[in-house]
Amino acid sequence: SYVLTQPPSVSVAPGKTATMTCGGDNIGSRSVHWYQQKAGQAPVLVIFYDIDRPSGIPERYSGSNSGNTATLTITRVEAGDEADYYCQVWDSINDHRVFGGGTKLTVL
Amino acid sequence: EVQLVEAGGGLVQPGGSLRLSCAVSGLTVSSSYMNWVRQAPGKGLEWVSVLYSGGSTYYADSVQGRFTISRDSAKNTLFLQMNSLRAEDTAIYYCARQADVVGPLSWGQGTLVTVSS
Repeated sequence: SYVLTQPPSVSVAPGKTATMTCGGDNIGSRSVHWYQQKAGQAPVLVIFYDIDRPSGIPERYSGSNSGNTATLTITRVEAGDEADYYCQVWDSINDHRVFGGGTKLTVL
Repeated sequence: EVQLVEAGGGLVQPGGSLRLSCAVSGLTVSSSYMNWVRQAPGKGLEWVSVLYSGGSTYYADSVQGRFTISRDSAKNTLFLQMNSLRAEDTAIYYCARQADVVGPLSWGQGTLVTVSS
């Protein structure tokens, strides 16, 4: 089965840039979606189809996907960005949906 | 506005059964790809099952043979029948919709299932 690998944690100072990666075999050939989950809340979509932002998501959020790594970038990080972030793809081999293990973003 | 509202969670003993429901408004369950995703306490997201608009169903290996996903088109509701429950099935269960097979998930608020004696 397809595996997505995310670093468990990323820490960044306010106003700086946070970069979170999602590794997978030739992930660049797949569509990657990113979800933000704040404590006690349901996940919220922040990036879809690698690079698109839903309405209401700040332009500070961006995504990229190439080779074996997809990336979620948050510029000018704010305290309100502190959350867990998950990447997700569709595994066409078995029609499963696959999540990465999640990255906890801490704003220092 | 699309709304997904889960219900049916609760405390159940190991080996027991529970049926979750997801009432949907703003879209048609039978024309969507409807998923269940769970999250154990303090853990990450785990995909559980999907029901395609054409009726095909798929399950995670961890629940295959124990859980059954279904829908009631008249009530526009998705279900998850969970049998032979284990302690490791304890989690918040989210209903999530996709517009297409590779598309992103739109989420409900979840319902908590606790399997314990």
